[in-house]
Amino acid sequence: AQTVTQSQPEMSVQEAETVTLSCTYDTSESNYYLFWYKQPPSRQMILVIRQEAYKQQNATENRFSVNFQKAAKSFSLKISDSQLGDTAMYFCAFMRLLNAGNNRKLIWGLGTSLAVNP
Amino acid sequence: SAVISQKPSRDICQRGTSLTIQCQVDSQVTMMFWYRQQPGQSLTLIATANQGSEATYESGFVIDKFPISRPNLTFSTLTVSNMSPEDSSIYLCSVSGQETQYFGPGTRLLVL
Repeated sequence: AQTVTQSQPEMSVQEAETVTLSCTYDTSESNYYLFWYKQPPSRQMILVIRQEAYKQQNATENRFSVNFQKAAKSFSLKISDSQLGDTAMYFCAFMRLLNAGNNRKLIWGLGTSLAVNP
Repeated sequence: SAVISQKPSRDICQRGTSLTIQCQVDSQVTMMFWYRQQPGQSLTLIATANQGSEATYESGFVIDKFPISRPNLTFSTLTVSNMSPEDSSIYLCSVSGQETQYFGPGTRLLVL
């Protein structure tokens, strides 16, 4: 069974600095997707970034980038130039590719609470 | 990405009653998912709802407690039946599209 582990329950960073959130996962699959979702106090679950396992290049979305190490089963999120609005719960998630598109379940980590301090 | 709305956004209910949560998507989608997020916890999948077929429930969740409807490709409902305080959670619907899941804003439920 797949598992996702986020070993940092809480983190904090000063505004404008860089922070890295850790995520490791366990799977025997070779094809899958990895995600980082953000959940601010509003509780809306927002997709931050997605990584396809078959791509060696790390995904980047503006100030957000990942360090994807497939062999090590590691998928960390780097937030550059942190902003107050980045304060949120961050969840790492794994999705298998089953039956050519059907039944795409997400396996979730427990989350990391990030506080950006002024 | 899909735009997803949920009703109600929040509610306070008495134990023993039932609440139906609606999820509306602005485009046709094959798969819709219902999640529960208990206070301070991660998301737990309740069931997967495909249009035209019975919902598939995860271990620990049963249809009698969480009946789901999926009448068309843009709409689904989740009912939380015979509620108890332990059902106090955020309930989120999501849809699968373009190899990603997108989420509604959630329904915050408090059961007294």
